[in-house]
Amino acid sequence: EPEVTQTPSHQVTQMGQEVILRCVPISNHLYFYWYRQILGQKVEFLVSFYNNEISEKSEIFDDQFSVERPDGSNFTLKIRSTKLEDSAMYFCASSDWRDSYNEQFFGPGTRLTVL
Amino acid sequence: QKEVEQNSGPLSVPEGAIASLNCTYSDRGSQSFFWYRQYSGKSPELIMSIYSNGDKEDGRFTAQLNKASQYVSLLIRDSQPSDSATYLCVVENYGGSQGNLIFGKGTKLSVKP
Repeated sequence: EPEVTQTPSHQVTQMGQEVILRCVPISNHLYFYWYRQILGQKVEFLVSFYNNEISEKSEIFDDQFSVERPDGSNFTLKIRSTKLEDSAMYFCASSDWRDSYNEQFFGPGTRLTVL
Repeated sequence: QKEVEQNSGPLSVPEGAIASLNCTYSDRGSQSFFWYRQYSGKSPELIMSIYSNGDKEDGRFTAQLNKASQYVSLLIRDSQPSDSATYLCVVENYGGSQGNLIFGKGTKLSVKP
């Protein structure tokens, strides 16, 4: 069964460093998302992406964040200058809006630890 | 601020019993509702979606929706220890061009053998 994949599974970085989280959405899906979950808290929406541009972004998604689809398969989230509070699980999700319903399928996540 | 409220639990049921999970949401205009299951340290896994008032059954799972009461529930029949997880009630926030998901904090379910 097709699935969303994410790399790396765990990323440790120093505060102020740049990180890139990578995702490969399900191949026939066109709608992509990033969410994050701080330990013990609920899953929060960051950004949605379609047709090579951002559709929506939350207040969390400030100028330190960017997304890109550099080729036909990868979807990346970049954090330019990481802060301690960026430590969280980051989930990529994708959807094909089948039958006009937005069922989103999540990847396994990248655990980001900022020291 | 659109909210999804769930009882955090833990909800403990014996093996073979029915587990009942409940959720309310704040945006009366919401149209799409989902239940995700999340095992500890893992990602959310979609288990049910519901869009119309009433019941929707899929195997041991039944989702129930009442838009007038802004209420969603999930019933798990013949609960198994492998059902022990956190169940996330999720509502689609269709305020823009693509839609995104608003998650509840989740109800932790424990099924005792």
